[in-house]
Amino acid sequence: LAKTTQPISMDSYEGQEVNITCSHNNIATNDYITWYQQFPSQGPRFIIQGYKTKVTNEVASLFIPADRKSSTLSLPRVSLSDTAVYYCLQRQSNYQLIWGAGTKLIIKP
Amino acid sequence: NAGVTQTPKFQVLKTGQSMTLQCAQDMNHNSMYWYRQDPGMGLRLIYYSASEGTTDKGEVPNGYNVSRLNKREFSLRLESAAPSQTSVYFCASTFDPGNYGYTFGSGTRLTVV
Repeated sequence: LAKTTQPISMDSYEGQEVNITCSHNNIATNDYITWYQQFPSQGPRFIIQGYKTKVTNEVASLFIPADRKSSTLSLPRVSLSDTAVYYCLQRQSNYQLIWGAGTKLIIKP
Repeated sequence: NAGVTQTPKFQVLKTGQSMTLQCAQDMNHNSMYWYRQDPGMGLRLIYYSASEGTTDKGEVPNGYNVSRLNKREFSLRLESAAPSQTSVYFCASTFDPGNYGYTFGSGTRLTVV
């Protein structure tokens, strides 16, 4: 089963832009990249999904280069409430999601 | 509020006991999923139901059974609980897994002693 690789943890400060990079060397042609956010004691929350190039919504941007072997989630002007675990996932052609351990993002004042 | 509702939120079982975790969504979603999450790890898919009337095994189905009762409800049953099933269980749903993200419930924290 294809699994992504991302940093275990990251720190940043309020007001900064945070970029979390994910590696997915074995991504298949029909796979999409999906990002979720999870707060302690809560279920994950969908953030953004893309296939290639750039996708932007009201929460984040997702950059996927042409070779699709990596992707970067960009969170603009983070706040303390953005402290959470962020998961980068490959959505496979059978629509199943393969979850790794995620990136624990800590935002400091 | 619209969303995915899981009951109970907490449960302690003795080894060998059985129980059913309930999940209901009111968003008219077609697909529903059961995941478990162990400490410090990502989620693992137990079972899913792509549409009403169908269920399929996920990555870790052993020791579990599911029922898609109707379009809204998807239950997970542990017939004979084991300590290895101590985990947080999440139910999720989506209208169309090809085009939409999943909506998750708040989880059931299960401890088997």
